[in-house]
Amino acid sequence: AQSVTQLGSHVSVSEGALVLLRCNYSSSVPPYLFWYVQYPNQGLQLLLKYTSAATLVKGINGFEAEFKKSETSFHLTKPSAHMSDAAEYFCAVSERGSTLGRLYFGRGTQLTVWP
Amino acid sequence: DADVTQTPRNRITKTGKRIMLECSQTKGHDRMYWYRQDPGLGLRLIYYSFDVKDINKGEISDGYSVSRQAQAKFSLSLESAIPNQTALYFCATSGPTRNEQYFGPGTRLTVT
Repeated sequence: AQSVTQLGSHVSVSEGALVLLRCNYSSSVPPYLFWYVQYPNQGLQLLLKYTSAATLVKGINGFEAEFKKSETSFHLTKPSAHMSDAAEYFCAVSERGSTLGRLYFGRGTQLTVWP
Repeated sequence: DADVTQTPRNRITKTGKRIMLECSQTKGHDRMYWYRQDPGLGLRLIYYSFDVKDINKGEISDGYSVSRQAQAKFSLSLESAIPNQTALYFCATSGPTRNEQYFGPGTRLTVT
């Protein structure tokens, strides 16, 4: 089974500071990779996804993530945090070529943005 | 209108009661999933279904059952609820490619 590790269950940044949320996966074959965001009392919303081709993926709300095969990582970044970015973020993977289509989730990282 | 809906949104029930959580989707997807979310544990898969005749257990299916009444409907049942089933439950759907999943708004279940 796939394994997803999100380093840091809580990250705090000041408004305007760089946001970096870390995600590592365990797979010998690069999987599909996803970042989801969950705002308070809401469901999960897809931020961005990596399926093939470009290793730098741009998502919504100014977020981007870079797939690094050598490091088995897919870290999420945003150059300048905004108060509205405060939420919980989940990294997820899915096996490439699998018909099951199931996602394996990390435990989540709660992002706090200070004014 | 939302593509994936869940009812109820909130439910409080007592230990031993049977409860059903319902999920409907208008995306036309064949694949549907039920997850539970607990603080610090992320989302864990309970059951998934590829079509009305294909239902599979996920990693934490004990104490749960499901029913796929139609392509668009996937229900999760707790036959005899217990307090450690208190959690946030999400339904999701997936199309045939890329494995991207679309989530409902969740049902917050409290078992007292």
